[in-house]
Amino acid sequence: DAGVTQSPTHLIKTRGQQVTLRCSPKSGHDTVSWYQQALGQGPQFIFQYYEEEERQRGNFPDRFSGHQFPNYSSELNVNALLLGDSALYLCASSLPGTYGYTFGSGTRLTVV
Amino acid sequence: EDQVTQSPEALRLQEGESSSLNCSYTVSGLRGLFWYRQDPGKGPEFLFTLYSAGEEKEKERLKATLTKKESFLHITAPKPEDSATYLCAVRGEQGAQKLVFGQGTRLTINP
Repeated sequence: DAGVTQSPTHLIKTRGQQVTLRCSPKSGHDTVSWYQQALGQGPQFIFQYYEEEERQRGNFPDRFSGHQFPNYSSELNVNALLLGDSALYLCASSLPGTYGYTFGSGTRLTVV
Repeated sequence: EDQVTQSPEALRLQEGESSSLNCSYTVSGLRGLFWYRQDPGKGPEFLFTLYSAGEEKEKERLKATLTKKESFLHITAPKPEDSATYLCAVRGEQGAQKLVFGQGTRLTINP
């Protein structure tokens, strides 16, 4: 049973560029959340998608946007990259009405 | 606003030396307190969910407990493979779709 799959695993971008990160949820899960984890810190909630709609958003600027597809997979887009966007980006999936989240291994984004 | 504070930030133990990690929280309407283990460069791995004060859960050498203001993760006779960062998170009524994490406790078990 495949867990949460994220791609790519590592990425290096230049300031000002745009990036797209991808996530396939665990089989049977239809809700996807994205988190940003800076080095040495706990993950911070970016947003959650359910039924292809953004259901809740954390304290992140509009440069961060997302999308969920009919097959429940999801993308995280970040525009106008800043050095401070360098972090591990985690995707988590869950079933509606349950409180358990399964995390992927993340995408390590480095902005230079 | 929901908040989670973990202590200590880092802890070094000898193999077999038991200890506890602390997670203090403030939340409006707790809908769950979660413990995760995270290895370097990996995503968090689910350990436990606790829902109400007095609840306890165990898994191998780990035991999680919950009060109205804090949770403890007790580790008994740890082994080097227990070395990891342990994250605590809460889910509250107002931010029902998100987990609010603490900064984690980095645990090192020396052989």
